[in-house]
Formats: sequence, C-alpha cells, structure tokens
Amino acid sequence: AQSVTQPDIHITVSEGASLELRCNYSYGATPYLFWYVQSPGQGLQLLLKYFSGDTLVQGIKGFEAEFKRSQSSFNLRKPSVHWSDAAEYFCAVALSYNTDKLIFGTGTRLQVFP
Amino acid sequence: DTEVTQTPKHLVMGMTNKKSLKCEQHMGHRAMYWYKQKAKKPPELMFVYSYEKLSINESVPSRFSPECPNSSLLNLHLHALQPEDSALYLCASSQDRGAGELFFGEGSRLTVL
Repeated sequence: AQSVTQPDIHITVSEGASLELRCNYSYGATPYLFWYVQSPGQGLQLLLKYFSGDTLVQGIKGFEAEFKRSQSSFNLRKPSVHWSDAAEYFCAVALSYNTDKLIFGTGTRLQVFP
Repeated sequence: DTEVTQTPKHLVMGMTNKKSLKCEQHMGHRAMYWYKQKAKKPPELMFVYSYEKLSINESVPSRFSPECPNSSLLNLHLHALQPEDSALYLCASSQDRGAGELFFGEGSRLTVL
C-alpha cells in the first residue's frame, strides 16, 4: 500500500539554524508531492509542491524541497529558521494529478528556541 | 480573496443535538472537501464535492451529512454524534477535483459531550 513516512515526530532547533525535515514515500511511480504547514489552531497552508521537472522546488516563507527519486524522498529545508516557523509540518502525496485523496504523513512538530 | 471561511470556530454539543458546520469560499473553486483531524494526527478525508455533487464519501457514518447548496458553500450537518467524534473539522477547496493544491480553512473545533 502507498504510504508517506515522516520519521521525525518532533524537532527542536535554535533560531537562525538550518532545518531539514524528512519525508519518504512508498509508491511504484513518481507521485505528486506536497509540503503543508499548520500553525497552532490554524488550517493547513501549502508551502510547496512537486509535479515534474526541476527536482529542487522553491516555496513560500523561504522553504525549499528536493525530490530524490533514488531515495523516494522529498525533504524540506530552510537555511535559517525564524521563531515564527514553529508549527506542524505535513508531507503529502497524491498518486496522480487527478486524485482527490492526498495521503498525509503523520507530521513533524517543529519547535524553535530563541 | 484567497480565503476559506469556516463557522463556527468552536462548537460544543451533546449527543442528542443537531448542529451544522459551515464553509464558504469565493475563489471560484469547483471542488470542496471536508477533513477530520484528531489531535496530533494528520487530516483524514471525509467527503469531496465536485461541481456541487458528492463525488467521494470515505465511508463516513451517517450521523455526518454533507450538503453543498451552491458552488461557494459547503455544510456538514451533525446529528447524534459520539464523544469520539470530537475533533477539528477542516474544510478545503481546490480549483478542480484532484488539483492537489488545497486551500484550507482554519477549522471548526468540535467537542461532543
């Protein structure tokens, strides 16, 4: 069965430090890949997405992610974290462009210390 | 206007009550979704409407009844809920079915006593 794994349940970083959140998927073909962020008490906001083409994609709020087919990964990165980045981050996959069913990972909670 | 608006933000109801959650978007999106999110869990898809017609029901119990009165509005009618139904209910919309880029509302936090 298709699945999305976010190995890190909770990550703590200092403000200004770099960040990498891991995401691995299990699927025979290349899925459509997304990262969403959820601040406390809020809905989810799309950070970035990958459908095809350049494997390094830029998103909002200074985030980027790199698709690595050989590793079935789509890790999210940010060079310098701000305190406002503290939130829950969800990786998600869609099995084709025309599917309603996003498969979400279990999420990674990011805590930022000053 | 890139917002999905959900009301109420908080709702407390008894197991015999009937209540409704409302969702509105004015982005011209033709697909609208209900998700359920339990604490510290990812969202789980409940229903999908496409062009005002129900296209996906993820085996949701009948005590949850969705309704799409028009292309901008989506309701979730609640009746005879159980305490385990307490959760954050998220509405989302997308330009079309399966477009992948979902725009979420802030959610309605439901507590069933």
